[in-house]
Parts: sequence; C-alpha cells; structure tokens
Amino acid sequence: NAGVMQNPRHLVRRRGQEARLRCSPVKGHSHVYWYRQLPEEGLKFMVYLQKENIIDESGMPKERFSAEFPKEGPSILRIQQVVRGDSAAYFCASSPPTGGPNEKLFFGSGTQLSVL
Amino acid sequence: AQSVAQPEDQVNVAEGNPLTVKCTYSVSGNPYLFWYVQYPNRGLQFLLKYITGDNLVKGSYGFEAEFNKSQTSFHLKKPSALVSDSALYFCAVRSPITGKLIFGQGTTLQVKP
Repeated sequence: NAGVMQNPRHLVRRRGQEARLRCSPVKGHSHVYWYRQLPEEGLKFMVYLQKENIIDESGMPKERFSAEFPKEGPSILRIQQVVRGDSAAYFCASSPPTGGPNEKLFFGSGTQLSVL
Repeated sequence: AQSVAQPEDQVNVAEGNPLTVKCTYSVSGNPYLFWYVQYPNRGLQFLLKYITGDNLVKGSYGFEAEFNKSQTSFHLKKPSALVSDSALYFCAVRSPITGKLIFGQGTTLQVKP
C-alpha cells in the first residue's frame, strides 16, 4: 500500500501567484488533515476534512487559503495571491474511515513552498 | 482549550545514556496522546500512543512514554539513547470530541557519541 503522497515536493511561486498543493491519502482513508510547519516552529493545524466536508478549519487563515477533499481525487490546499510569509513546509496526513480519536495519522513527506 | 507544551527546545544526551523528552497537555475529556518523530526533510513518523490502560506505553525503536494524569504529562523516554535517535520529536493530543490533533512545538534531540 502506498502511503500518503504529496506533490509537488517543492513548489516555487512568485508573490501574487496561486499555489496548489495536492495530497493523496492512504488508500481507503477518508480523513485528511493539513498542517503547516515554519522554520523553528512546530506543526500548526490548519484544516481537517472528510470526503466532501470540512470538519474543522479553525487553523486556516481567513483569506486566501482554502481546502477541499472531493469525492474523487486528491485533497487540495489552495493558496491564492501568495506572499513571502506563506513560505513553509505543508504536511498532509490521513486516517482511516473510522476516524476515531485513537487512530494514528499517517503523514506525507510534505510540500516545501517557497515564495520569491 | 486543547494544547500541548514541550518545554525544551533541545535535549542533549550522550549515547548510551537514558533520555527524557517532556510533554504536558490540556484537553477536555480523556486525552488521546501521541508521539511522532521527524527526520530531516521527511514527514512525521508515528512512535506510540496512549488511549487507555497502562500508564507506561511502549512504542517503536525502543521508546516508551509515561502517562501521568495528575500532572497532565506524557514524557517520552528511552533507557539507552542511540546517535540515530537524533531527530525532532513532537508530542500531540487529539480531542476525543472533535478529533483534531494538535502538536507541541517540538523538541530537538541530539545524541552525541
């Protein structure tokens, strides 16, 4: 079984462009989480999604950021009009359909976003 | 509110010595506690979890963690450190109500030969 796949591995954007980060969860997993990691900081929760539903987006900035997890296809984290402060590593994680709090999360290798 | 604190930015130990990486938490309801490890340029790898039962939990690579309800702590331990254990360690707590997993700020473990 493939693990959580994130692409691209590295993404370079100029200020004002859009960034799209993709995450394919472990096969059969229906829960996806996105986290952001800044240098010298820990992992900050951004959003928790189930298929076609946003469960908790309390960590998402109010503007420019959006996330989706459609019925078919990968989860997408979208950042519009990127600014230098968006430069970070973005990690996706997935968990099984039971979604219980005792389930561990499986993490992807992350997408490193660099904004020039 | 749900939160996790790792009071040490870095822990340095000599190879062969015991190690402890500290973690305290705050969450409504019974806590679901986790430790993850991150190697450079990699995603997080699961080490162990506490859900219920014995306060001492054993995990991967010889690591264990002790749950202490009265002190709201979940310290990570290993009896004998290896140089290859050097990495960034994250404690996390998952809300039994919302399912959201919150991480501490991470502790860098440096094991010297």
